[in-house]
Amino acid sequence: QSVLTQPPSVSAAPGQKVTISCSGSSSNIGNNYVSWYLQLPGTAPKLLIYDNNQRPSGIPDRFSGSKSGTSATLGITGLQTGDEADYYCATWDFSLSAGVFGGGTKVTVL
Amino acid sequence: QVQLVQSGAEVKKPGASVKVSCKASGYTFTDYFIHWVRQAPGRGPEWMGIINPIGGDTTYAQKFQGRVTMTRDTSTSTVYMDMSSLTSDDTAFYYCARDRNQLLPKYYFEYWGQGTLVTVSS
Repeated sequence: QSVLTQPPSVSAAPGQKVTISCSGSSSNIGNNYVSWYLQLPGTAPKLLIYDNNQRPSGIPDRFSGSKSGTSATLGITGLQTGDEADYYCATWDFSLSAGVFGGGTKVTVL
Repeated sequence: QVQLVQSGAEVKKPGASVKVSCKASGYTFTDYFIHWVRQAPGRGPEWMGIINPIGGDTTYAQKFQGRVTMTRDTSTSTVYMDMSSLTSDDTAFYYCARDRNQLLPKYYFEYWGQGTLVTVSS
């Protein structure tokens, strides 16, 4: 059971938009920045979003992040077949004194 | 370019120990903290701990305290993760990951090693 809760899967047609939620608590998301990662099969995770809504260089603006209270959201617009992957949220948890990840959301492009 | 190159796959018996290395290049080794993250097959990532490359001080997730030791060698820009008393539950890919923030970690994992598969089986 992950500390951060994500939906197991989301799907949409090419060109459409999907959003992925990440729910936590006051000991993690509520008082810390959130980051998001994309993981293609057989590869290491890749940083997509940091500081809740900032993109590292090279990450297209189709990817966006937001945070409100104890939840965060990743948005992907203009969905492409190459976006099919597992997506994870992450943050620091004060109570656990540890970095924590969500359980992951599989994005399927229909 | 920043690279983290890890040691090869390991197969261990229950009760044994394993040591995984992570050699960094393409940046000033002492400027960025290194994390270790593991991922069991079909599961999400799990943060294990962090090491300060300057002084070698570490912070471990409570789950791994007493069983994991992270060290570094500044002369070779290499960090190590040593785990003892292995069980089948430790079968996973083990990744090193460099923090995005210089000097003060913010727990953003910007650069990752290729991963080292550790299999624990009798």
